[in-house]
Amino acid sequence: QSVLTQPPSASGTPGQRVTISCSGSSSNIGSNTVNWYQQLPGTAPKLLIYSNNQRPSGVPDRFSGSKSGTSASLAISGLQSEDEADYYCAAWDDSLNGQNWVFGGGTKLTVL
Amino acid sequence: QLQLQESGPGLVKPSETLSLTCTVSGGSISSSSYYWGWIRQPPGKGLEWIGSIYYSGSTYYNPSLKSRVTISVDTSKNQFSLKLSSVTAADTAVYYCASFPSGGDAFDIWGQGTMVTVSS
Repeated sequence: QSVLTQPPSASGTPGQRVTISCSGSSSNIGSNTVNWYQQLPGTAPKLLIYSNNQRPSGVPDRFSGSKSGTSASLAISGLQSEDEADYYCAAWDDSLNGQNWVFGGGTKLTVL
Repeated sequence: QLQLQESGPGLVKPSETLSLTCTVSGGSISSSSYYWGWIRQPPGKGLEWIGSIYYSGSTYYNPSLKSRVTISVDTSKNQFSLKLSSVTAADTAVYYCASFPSGGDAFDIWGQGTMVTVSS
């Protein structure tokens, strides 16, 4: 059971806009920034969004992130076939159990 | 451009210690510019942070694994290492090493990962 909650799957057609949600609590998303990673099949995760809404160099502006309260979202506009991948959210967690990087369970995006 | 590469045995017996090394190229592991970390992913499952280390030797561990984990740095080889003791089948996973810029917010560069299976 992951600390951050994501829908297990999402889908869209080419050109469409899709969003993936990530729900947490006051000890993680509510008090720290959120990162998003893209994992193409058989490859290592790649940083897609950091600090809630910042894109690393080379990431297309079709990808955007936002955060509100204890939830965050990743939006992909102009969906392309190469966007088919698993997407993970992550945040630092400060709880009574200790400090810890926590991840969502991942959302598998299918481009129909 | 920083690059990371994991190495180590692909098969470990139950109750033994898993040992992996991450070799850093394109930059110095002694640099104050980075933290270094280990993350794992069981087959078909999500990501789990194991721990991180700063060049100074300061370590930060996942509370759920802390009693079994040791992360260390070897500056002479530009490497950092992971040791996970008393492994069980639940420790079977792809293990990734990654870099985390000081003052940054995320693991920005990842190794390709190495699969470790725990089985007798």
